[in-house]
Amino acid sequence: DAGVTQSPTHLIKTRGQHVTLRCSPISGHKSVSWYQQVLGQGPQFIFQYYEKEERGRGNFPDRFSARQFPNYSSELNVNALLLGDSALYLCASRPYSGGRNTGELFFGEGSRLTVL
Amino acid sequence: AQSVTQLDSHVSVSEGTPVLLRCNYSSSYSPSLFWYVQHPNKGLQLLLKYTSAATLVKGINGFEAEFKKSETSFHLTKPSAHMSDAAEYFCVVSDQISNFGNEKLTFGTGTRLTIIP
Repeated sequence: DAGVTQSPTHLIKTRGQHVTLRCSPISGHKSVSWYQQVLGQGPQFIFQYYEKEERGRGNFPDRFSARQFPNYSSELNVNALLLGDSALYLCASRPYSGGRNTGELFFGEGSRLTVL
Repeated sequence: AQSVTQLDSHVSVSEGTPVLLRCNYSSSYSPSLFWYVQHPNKGLQLLLKYTSAATLVKGINGFEAEFKKSETSFHLTKPSAHMSDAAEYFCVVSDQISNFGNEKLTFGTGTRLTIIP
């Protein structure tokens, strides 16, 4: 079975531009989360979606937005890019487990964004 | 608020010797704790998890961790290091939330493990 897939794998943007990152979860997984990993740091939670609804949001500005589609894939959008948005953006999925947060996430390899 | 502190940013051990990666946590609830590993240019992979069952947790590739509530620690160990263990290791905490929908993981800053041949 395919794992979590993300696209593009690498991209370069300039300040002020907009970017859209895409994620396809593992087949059967209904929850998708997004994390930002700045070089030398641990990943930071951005969003979590389940059944097309936002279920959690981290401490990120409104320039960051996301959505989940009926097929459970997801997009992360970032507007008005800043140099500080340069990072590895990780998508993770997990199956619905009946209510208890087991915490196990399956991560993609990420989209590396460079803002110049 | 939940948080984890990884006490070493970089650990070097010789191949065949024991590995100890240290982690302390802070959580308002009864936490779930995890160790994830990240190899270069790869995604994160779950090594092991603690979710209020046995305090000694065994994971993949010979790793294990012990949950010590009195010390608020969750250190990762392996009896004998292998070259393939060289990677970045993250200690992660998640508060127990009864209703499905909040699965925010809080990551530590990571420990880079180097294996000396």
